[in-house]
Amino acid sequence: NAGVTQTPKFRVLKTGQSMTLLCAQDMNHEYMYWYRQDPGMGLRLIHYSVGEGTTAKGEVPDGYNVSRLKKQNFLLGLESAAPSQTSVYFCASSYSQEVGEKLFFGSGTQLSVL
Amino acid sequence: AQSVTQLGSHVSVSEGALVLLRCNYSSSVPPYLFWYVQYPNQGLQLLLKYTSAATLVKGINGFEAEFKKSETSFHLTKPSAHMSDAAEYFCAVSPPYSSASKIIFGSGTRLSIRP
Repeated sequence: NAGVTQTPKFRVLKTGQSMTLLCAQDMNHEYMYWYRQDPGMGLRLIHYSVGEGTTAKGEVPDGYNVSRLKKQNFLLGLESAAPSQTSVYFCASSYSQEVGEKLFFGSGTQLSVL
Repeated sequence: AQSVTQLGSHVSVSEGALVLLRCNYSSSVPPYLFWYVQYPNQGLQLLLKYTSAATLVKGINGFEAEFKKSETSFHLTKPSAHMSDAAEYFCAVSPPYSSASKIIFGSGTRLSIRP
């Protein structure tokens, strides 16, 4: 059972380049989330989706775009990468949006922007 | 607004010793509280959660946490540390009956275990 899979695991970009991070889940979850993890700051929500074809902004959405064309996939895009976007990115999914519902996390993508 | 503070970014204990990871929260309403664990090169996993039932919550791998309203705390404990407990631990808070998008994570505490 794969759970939540993120690709790639590591990436180095130059300032101004673009890239897309892919998150795939095989648990038929409706809800998916993108977080970034920075030293000393914990996880912060970038964008989330409450179902196929929907997206919503989280705490730190600027500089990112997302799409949920298929229920099992949630893509995070950086159109013009900046050094401030150097971070570890985590995708998560859940069966429901209820706050007590368990979040399932991927293993993360370490992104460096030079 | 809600917030959570984890005291100590790094805690080191000897194998077999008590593990105590501290978490204090700020909330205008009785919150839901969570502890997540992140093992090296893995995503976060839920250890335990408090959702207004019993104040002493038992989780996986022998961990437990107690909700203390008077102290606004939700400290994580384990009586006897094992080498496999070495990981980063995140406390999180959210308003009750809200969506998972409202969860606020603390900055994390890295737990090291000395042989």
